[in-house]
Parts: sequence; structure tokens; C-alpha cells
Amino acid sequence: AQTVTQSQPEMSVQEAETVTLSCTYDTSESDYYLFWYKQPPSRQMILVIRQEAYKQQNATENRFSVNFQKAAKSFSLKISDSQLGDAAMYFCAYRSDSYTNAGKSTFGDGTTLTVKP
Amino acid sequence: SQTIHQWPATLVQPVGSPLSLECTVEGTSNPNLYWYRQAAGRGLQLLFYSVGIGQISSEVPQNLSASRPQDRQFILSSKKLLLSDSGFYLCAWGGTRRTNYGYTFGSGTRLTVV
Repeated sequence: AQTVTQSQPEMSVQEAETVTLSCTYDTSESDYYLFWYKQPPSRQMILVIRQEAYKQQNATENRFSVNFQKAAKSFSLKISDSQLGDAAMYFCAYRSDSYTNAGKSTFGDGTTLTVKP
Repeated sequence: SQTIHQWPATLVQPVGSPLSLECTVEGTSNPNLYWYRQAAGRGLQLLFYSVGIGQISSEVPQNLSASRPQDRQFILSSKKLLLSDSGFYLCAWGGTRRTNYGYTFGSGTRLTVV
């Protein structure tokens, strides 16, 4: 079974600065997807960014980018120019591309990000 | 665009009472649907998933059950709630290849069993 580990329960960043959240995963599969989700205090889960394992190029969405290291099974999220609205819990998630997996995702325990003004 | 409706938003139920949480999806057909539970300050635990009408798979043995009576409707139920059933419940749609299968979540239900 796949596992997802987020080793930083809490992180903080100064407004306008850059912060990197870490995620590692364990899998024997070669085809899969990785995601970062954001859960603000409202608790609404929002997809932030996604990465296909077969793509070497790191995904980017505005101020959010990832560093995907397939061999190391590492998938970190970088938030540039941090804003107060970025304060939330961030979850890393893994989804197998296997048909038999039925699209199930495995989530890490989350990292709570605080943004200081 | 696709939308997930989940209700109720908040529920306080006594031990031993029944439970029914409902989730409906708009804007797609034959969706893969999932029920997750989130303990306070923790990650998401998959409870049930469904790939079609009447098709339910359970991930963990528990006091809960799920049903999919219609293509876009997914229901989480219990006949008798336990204190340990308290938590935050999230319904999710599994997306499409175009979206790389990122989840779209409902707004969640905060369940407190007293």
C-alpha cells in the first residue's frame, strides 16, 4: 500500500517570503499522480496543484510550484510571495493510475502553514 | 463545471441515533465518488468509494455504511452512532483525465456525537 509522509506538522512564513512544504511517498508503481490540497479555516478542501509522474517538468500554478523528484519519491510545494490568504493546512496526496485502484487517493497528515504579517 | 453538494454542514447527534449524510454531484456523469473522514488536525481516512450505481467498496470495518442509489448521489449512513464516529466527513468526486484526476470536495459535514 502507498504511504504519504509530511514530516513538518507546522510551518510559518513571513508575508511576501517563500516557503517550501515537504512530502515524501512510498510506492512501487511507475504511473501515478501527486497533488497538493489546501484546507483553510473554512475546512473546504481545494486542489492547489497536480503532477503526473511521467512528466519530468515540475508543475507550476501562479505562485505555487512543485519540486518533483521521482527517484527520491519526493514532492515538495513551494509558495512564493506568501500572502495572508495562504494560511491553511496543506495536504499532499498520491493517486495510483492503476484502473484497479478506482481513483482512490492517499493523503498525508498535513502541514499547518501560518503566514505572519 | 462540476459541483458537489454535501449536507448537512453541521450535525449533533446522540449516541445510538441514526445518521444520513448526503452528497450529490452536478456537471458530470458516472463519477467515482468517495467518503473520507478527517479527525481533528489530521489527514483524511478513506471510508468508502463507489464507481457506479449500487457499487460500494469499504476501506475500513466500522459502524458506517454507504449507498449509491443514483448515478450522482452518494449517501453515508449509520443505524446507531458511536462516540467514535465524531469527526469531519468529506465527500469527493474523483475528477477526469483532463483534470489529472484531482479531487473536487464537498464542503464537509462536522458530526458531533454526544
